[in-house]
Amino acid sequence: AQSVTQPDIHITVSEGASLELRCNYSYGATPYLFWYVQSPGQGLQLLLKYFSGDTLVQGIKGFEAEFKRSQSSFNLRKPSVHWSDAAEYFCAVAVSGGYQKVTFGTGTKLQVIP
Amino acid sequence: DVKVTQSSRYLVKRTGEKVFLECVQDMDHENMFWYRQDPGLGLRLIYFSYDVKMKEKGDIPEGYSVSREKKERFSLILESASTNQTSMYLCASRRLPPYEQYFGPGTRLTVT
Repeated sequence: AQSVTQPDIHITVSEGASLELRCNYSYGATPYLFWYVQSPGQGLQLLLKYFSGDTLVQGIKGFEAEFKRSQSSFNLRKPSVHWSDAAEYFCAVAVSGGYQKVTFGTGTKLQVIP
Repeated sequence: DVKVTQSSRYLVKRTGEKVFLECVQDMDHENMFWYRQDPGLGLRLIYFSYDVKMKEKGDIPEGYSVSREKKERFSLILESASTNQTSMYLCASRRLPPYEQYFGPGTRLTVT
């Protein structure tokens, strides 16, 4: 069965600093990969996705993520964080075959300090 | 604009009550999902529906059932609510192939 690990439960960065959120997955083949963001009290919104092709994908709100097959990783990055980026971020994996089950990581909560 | 709506944002029920949570999507998506979200545990799949009247158990189906009589509506039923079902419940829909999921705003259920 596939699994997703987000090793950082909580990250604090200063406004304007760069950000990298880690995501590692366990699955035999290349899965479909997603990053979602959840603002307090809200549902999840898709930031970006990777299916195939270019391993560096661009998303909304200035985020990007890089798929590294050799490391089974799909880390999320942003060069300059804004206070409005404070939220919880979830990495997710969907596998082909069957009903394309989606597995979510446990999330990383981002705090942005002035 | 894509939209998934859930019938209530906040709900308070008593132990033993039957609880219905409704989810409606307006995107003609084939797949619909119910998750519960608890701090430190992320999202856990309760049930999944891949088409009308079709359903699959997720990772934590115990104590829950679902109904999908129409493509746009997916209901989660707690047959006899218990305090350990206090949680945030999120509905999502998805089009095939495995495109991204679209989430509703969530229902925070408290069972007392």
